[in-house]
Amino acid sequence: EAGVAQSPRYKIIEKRQSVAFWCNPISGHATLYWYQQILGQGPKLLIQFQNNGVVDDSQLPKDRFSAERLKGVDSTLKIQPAKLEDSAVYLCASSLGPGLLKNIQYFGAGTRLSVL
Amino acid sequence: AQSVTQPDIHITVSEGASLELRCNYSYGATPYLFWYVQSPGQGLQLLLKYFSGDTLVQGIKGFEAEFKRSQSSFNLRKPSVHWSDAAEYFCAVGDAGNMLTFGGGTRLMVKP
Repeated sequence: EAGVAQSPRYKIIEKRQSVAFWCNPISGHATLYWYQQILGQGPKLLIQFQNNGVVDDSQLPKDRFSAERLKGVDSTLKIQPAKLEDSAVYLCASSLGPGLLKNIQYFGAGTRLSVL
Repeated sequence: AQSVTQPDIHITVSEGASLELRCNYSYGATPYLFWYVQSPGQGLQLLLKYFSGDTLVQGIKGFEAEFKRSQSSFNLRKPSVHWSDAAEYFCAVGDAGNMLTFGGGTRLMVKP
């Protein structure tokens, strides 16, 4: 079974530029998550999708971050414009769906973003 | 709001020695608890989970964890550490809405 795919693996940009990350979840997984992991910290949830709808985006900085999952499969996370403090690893995870036993989250390898 | 504390930022053990990583949580209802491991440049891999029932949970790679409600703890243990266990370990608590809150992580180093 293929895992969660993320691209690119690394990205270096200058502040005020824009950047986009892509995630393809495990086939059949209805729920998709984006996390931000700052160096030395645990992952922090940014946004959760159920199919193509947003379940929770309370911790997403909406003035600069946006995410979409238009067809309920793959997803894109965008930052525009980037700030220095956005330097982090952006992790995508997916799970079968709601319900306790279905909600084991499987993580991709992440995209490491450096903002200079 | 739920929270997770991992008191030890770094731990170093000798290969073959036993290991215990601490995790304390704060949650108002029955917690759903997880341990994940992250190797350098990799995503998080689930080691084990606790939903209900037996408070001693077995996981992959020889790890186990014990849920102690009275102490709000979910410590991870392994009787004999291998060099390949060197990684960062994250404890997480999940709520009824399947939202995970992670602790800050413990970095494990293994001495030969």
